[in-house]
Amino acid sequence: QKEVEQDPGPLSVPEGAIVSLNCTYSNSAFQYFMWYRQYSRKGPELLMYTYSSGNKEDGRFTAQVDKSSKYISLFIRDSQPSDSATYLCAMILNQAGTALIFGKGTTLSVSS
Amino acid sequence: GAVVSQHPSRVICKSGTSVKIECRSLDFQATTMFWYRQFPKQSLMLMATSNEGSKATYEQGVEKDKFLINHASLTLSTLTVTSAHPEDSSFYICSVGQEETQYFGPGTRLLVL
Repeated sequence: QKEVEQDPGPLSVPEGAIVSLNCTYSNSAFQYFMWYRQYSRKGPELLMYTYSSGNKEDGRFTAQVDKSSKYISLFIRDSQPSDSATYLCAMILNQAGTALIFGKGTTLSVSS
Repeated sequence: GAVVSQHPSRVICKSGTSVKIECRSLDFQATTMFWYRQFPKQSLMLMATSNEGSKATYEQGVEKDKFLINHASLTLSTLTVTSAHPEDSSFYICSVGQEETQYFGPGTRLLVL
């Protein structure tokens, strides 16, 4: 079993839809959870960064962490064609300087 | 978050030559930088962790003599692909560790002919 599981998709939705992206993980020691967005041929861009269980909202994006279920989610409201990208979940133990563990990434396509 | 640049953004070289890729932290003094490789439609694979002033820590299966990493200052880390071969063609991305997260550079696309 891999440490972080993420459905690669692709996921196709119409403009304006609510998108739900998810990852599960096996190591209960993970403390920090991130979502990155990566456009084709570009480096990943940090979208959301959360610590511990709960929700965090930033504009159209909401990150949710459920440590008891080892499950994290990213919700995108009112999705736009510009949201079309690959979304990578990542997590880290509680030590700065430790490598991130990434999911495989989910490819999202939002059609106008 | 930290702003990270990479140079060059794209490089084409002949098989057997060496290529150097620079990663700069523009607004943050980074004691730790990371180097990743990404093949098409795949996730990022960590190659090595670079600590300023000390030797890099390489992931299992990554040849340290082929992928030379130097982190000589708090703002610059370099990755040199020595004696490059076509199978080294990939997208190389660096990141800067800041607190418990990382900020990525724009990546360098390497094509070895």
